[in-house]
Amino acid sequence: ETGVTQTPRHLVMGMTNKKSLKCEQHLGHNAMYWYKQSAKKPLELMFVYNFKEQTENNSVPSRFSPECPNSSHLFLHLHTLQPEDSALYLCASSLLAGGSLTREQFFGPGTRLTVL
Amino acid sequence: GENVEQHPSTLSVQEGDSAVIKCTYSDSASNYFPWYKQELGKRPQLIIDIRSNVGEKKDQRIAVTLNKTAKHFSLHITETQPEDSAVYFCAASKETGANNLFFGTGTRLTVIP
Repeated sequence: ETGVTQTPRHLVMGMTNKKSLKCEQHLGHNAMYWYKQSAKKPLELMFVYNFKEQTENNSVPSRFSPECPNSSHLFLHLHTLQPEDSALYLCASSLLAGGSLTREQFFGPGTRLTVL
Repeated sequence: GENVEQHPSTLSVQEGDSAVIKCTYSDSASNYFPWYKQELGKRPQLIIDIRSNVGEKKDQRIAVTLNKTAKHFSLHITETQPEDSAVYFCAASKETGANNLFFGTGTRLTVIP
């Protein structure tokens, strides 16, 4: 499969559950991102990994825990979430290179998360 | 940190008319300004971007203008078509490091046939 993929596409979980979201990019990129998209605050940047190093944690609660084992894979581990965490979680990737003509971020299809 | 404001939140235009969406940013160090289009149920996709060393950029029916002094930039769509209906997001970032994008709140554009 090409581009940026995310699994699962839909997830329903209780507040006491532990689950993980997975993102994979097949574009040879070296930076990956997690965004939260909800009706109230569209496209909030959550985490950034640059060459597998976390470079940004945008004041995200500790119940969200990212993991980037290599430049192609990104996970978001979830535990003891709250109903207000229900949203679309989007993964993106980009190629960071000196002199790059574009800084385009390529998004995955998202995981629609519902917390009961 | 960067704060991007976007207006209007919704916009309806007749097919063939022009649409303009405006954004302002707070961090004068931001120097890269992309626009993303998100169709219903689909992922955001880059449609055009502009860097701070350029005042205007055009690609067929879409154009973006940037006023660095006033810290605002705008998206212009001419001769709108029904397939232009989508949510449009502006964003700002510093073109260094990991290119953290800070998005506006989005504009839902509806083109009425």
